[in-house]
Amino acid sequence: RKEVEQDPGPFNVPEGATVAFNCTYSNSASQSFFWYRQDCRKEPKLLMSVYSSGNEDGRFTAQLNRASQYISLLIRDSKLSDSATYLCVVTRLAAYKYIFGTGTRLKVLA
Amino acid sequence: GAVVSQHPSRVICKSGTSVKIECRSLDFQATTMFWYRQFPKQSLMLMATSNEGSKATYEQGVEKDKFLINHASLTLSTLTVTSAHPEDSSFYICSALTLFSYNEQFFGPGTRLTVL
Repeated sequence: RKEVEQDPGPFNVPEGATVAFNCTYSNSASQSFFWYRQDCRKEPKLLMSVYSSGNEDGRFTAQLNRASQYISLLIRDSKLSDSATYLCVVTRLAAYKYIFGTGTRLKVLA
Repeated sequence: GAVVSQHPSRVICKSGTSVKIECRSLDFQATTMFWYRQFPKQSLMLMATSNEGSKATYEQGVEKDKFLINHASLTLSTLTVTSAHPEDSSFYICSALTLFSYNEQFFGPGTRLTVL
């Protein structure tokens, strides 16, 4: 079983739709959590950090559920420009290593 | 701030040659740098962790004699793919940590290696 798992998708949604992705992690010692966005043939770019209290940045909301060991990303009012692969990242403080999920592909359709 | 560059962005080479990829932190000193590899339609896989002035720590299954990492300064790490073969063709990405970014890694733009 992979340490960080995501549904690879693709999620095809119309413009304006709300879409949610989940990511599960297996190591309860995980400390930090991030969502990254990766466009084709480019490096990943930080979308947002994820905190236990949840956080929101414009149309994007991230939640962390430590008890169930998953994080989620909600995108409201999807734009064409949101089309990308969304990578869930988990890290353990002592190692400073990022463990990447396989990514979820999102395609927002006109 | 926190910009990381990589050079070259793209390289095509013949099988058996060695290729060096540079990763530089442009406006900060990187305590630690990481090297990742990404095959098509797959996620980023950590290859090694590099600290300035010490030997790199390689992940399980990564051949340290094939992927040579040098981290000679706080702003530069290099990855040399020795005797490259077509199966080494991939997207190589570096990232860097600073003392001031709690756990957040800053990624370079990546290097696409094609071995013929």
